Amino acid sequence: SAVISQKPSRDICQRGTSLTIQCQVDSQVTMMFWYRQQPGQSLTLIATANQGSEATYESGFVIDKFPISRPNLTFSTLTVSNMSPEDSSIYLCSVVGPTGDRFEQYFGPGTRLTVT
Amino acid sequence: AQKVTQAQTEISVVEKEDVTLDCVYETRDTTYYLFWYKQPPSGELVFLIRRNSFDEQNEISGRYSWNFQKSTSSFNFTITASQVVDSAVYFCALSEALYNQGGKLIFGQGTELSVKP
Repeated sequence: SAVISQKPSRDICQRGTSLTIQCQVDSQVTMMFWYRQQPGQSLTLIATANQGSEATYESGFVIDKFPISRPNLTFSTLTVSNMSPEDSSIYLCSVVGPTGDRFEQYFGPGTRLTVT
Repeated sequence: AQKVTQAQTEISVVEKEDVTLDCVYETRDTTYYLFWYKQPPSGELVFLIRRNSFDEQNEISGRYSWNFQKSTSSFNFTITASQVVDSAVYFCALSEALYNQGGKLIFGQGTELSVKP
């Protein structure tokens, strides 16, 4: 399986500010995803991070609020912009495993964000 | 529409008891994958198992076993002789093959399992 790290692991931010979360994988992977887990809730896919092109967003998520970059096959960032308390969540990066099987998906440790 | 339902929001058992976590799914696809993940209090998501729609054989891994029944659209997870370390939130998830080129996972709401000593 791929080893995934995320920075920061947690943060407390003021409303109206932005936070950029980094996801680093120890090997090249074909697909990277960003999920959100609101308190006490399940995980919801925000977007697929595409290498060299714009991310593909799920319904209810927009680029202006959650800009995503993926400059290469091992790294991606998610920015949470103009934050409000409703953005308090765990944000998780996930990747398709090194075999390229798109149904073999692994998750990073998550970034726990609190917005005050 | 695709959907995963975990009707049990919380389960509490005493150590060494067996416990079954239920998962019912809905999908329009004939080819799909089902997953179970464990999320301990630390927050990371730990992969437990993947099963494709053409493989209905039950699987056992140590104290863990899974029962996949297409006839009832269920993929239940049993922990035998539960231990305190099993305390976590468990998520069942679905990924459709035909309508999902990107490997998107659809998660259930999760079941919080508490194993008391």
